[in-house]
Amino acid sequence: QITLKESGPTLVKPTQTLTLTCTFSGFSLSTSGVGVGWIRQPPGKALEWLALIYWDDDKRYSPSLKSRLTITKDTSKNQVVLTMTNMDPVDTATYYCAHSGGGGLRFDYWGQGTLVTVSS
Amino acid sequence: QSALTQPASVSGSPGQSITISCTGTSSDVGSYNLVSWYQQHPGKAPKLMIYEVSKRPSGVSNRFSGSKSGNTASLTISGLQAEDEADYYCCSYAGSSTYVVFGGGTKLTVL
Repeated sequence: QITLKESGPTLVKPTQTLTLTCTFSGFSLSTSGVGVGWIRQPPGKALEWLALIYWDDDKRYSPSLKSRLTITKDTSKNQVVLTMTNMDPVDTATYYCAHSGGGGLRFDYWGQGTLVTVSS
Repeated sequence: QSALTQPASVSGSPGQSITISCTGTSSDVGSYNLVSWYQQHPGKAPKLMIYEVSKRPSGVSNRFSGSKSGNTASLTISGLQAEDEADYYCCSYAGSSTYVVFGGGTKLTVL
C-alpha cells in the first residue's frame, strides 16, 4: 500500500524560504523508474507541476520556478524535500507530493496535501 | 494561464455521456502518448483516472475512457453518475525542458 504525506509550515512570511517534506511508504525511491513529484494548487485554481526527482537522482523543475526550487531525496528515510526560496503571497497554495511510477509520466498516488499561506 | 487548454465547465444528466477536451501543442500532447487525466473532488487530492492517453489504472471504472487526436486529448465519461461531479485535469509530458504541463481544469456538473 503506497502512502505519501506532506509536512511543513502552514504559514511563511514573504521573502522566506519554504521547506516541505514528503514522507512516504509502500515503495522505494531506489527502484528503477520510480519518482516523486511536487504539485501545487492555489485556492480555487488549477494544478501546477513544480518538480520531480527520480530513483537515479535525476531532477526536473518547472522552467518558470526553476531558479527558486530545489528537490532532494533521502532514500534511507523514505523522504523527499522541496525547498522554495523567496516566497510571495502568490505562492499561497496547497502543496501535494505524488508518486510517479510504471515508467510513464503519471502521478498515481498522491498525498493529502498541505496548505501553505504566505503572509506577513 | 495553463499550458493545456480545457473548457471551464461541462455538464450532463445522469446516464448521459460527456467529453472533456484538452488542447495542447505539437510540443506536448501532439508529440507524446503521455497524457493523463485526474479527478478531484472538493477538498480532496487528485486521483489518477487515465494514463498514457487511454489506459485505466486498476479500480477505475470502465465508464472512463481517453483518446487523442493530433494536439487534442479527450476524456469521455459514459453513463454519468452523481459521484462523477468533480474537477478534471489533463496533464502531459512536454519534452525534456518543460517536462510536465497541466490543463486549467474542467468542472463537471451532473444535472
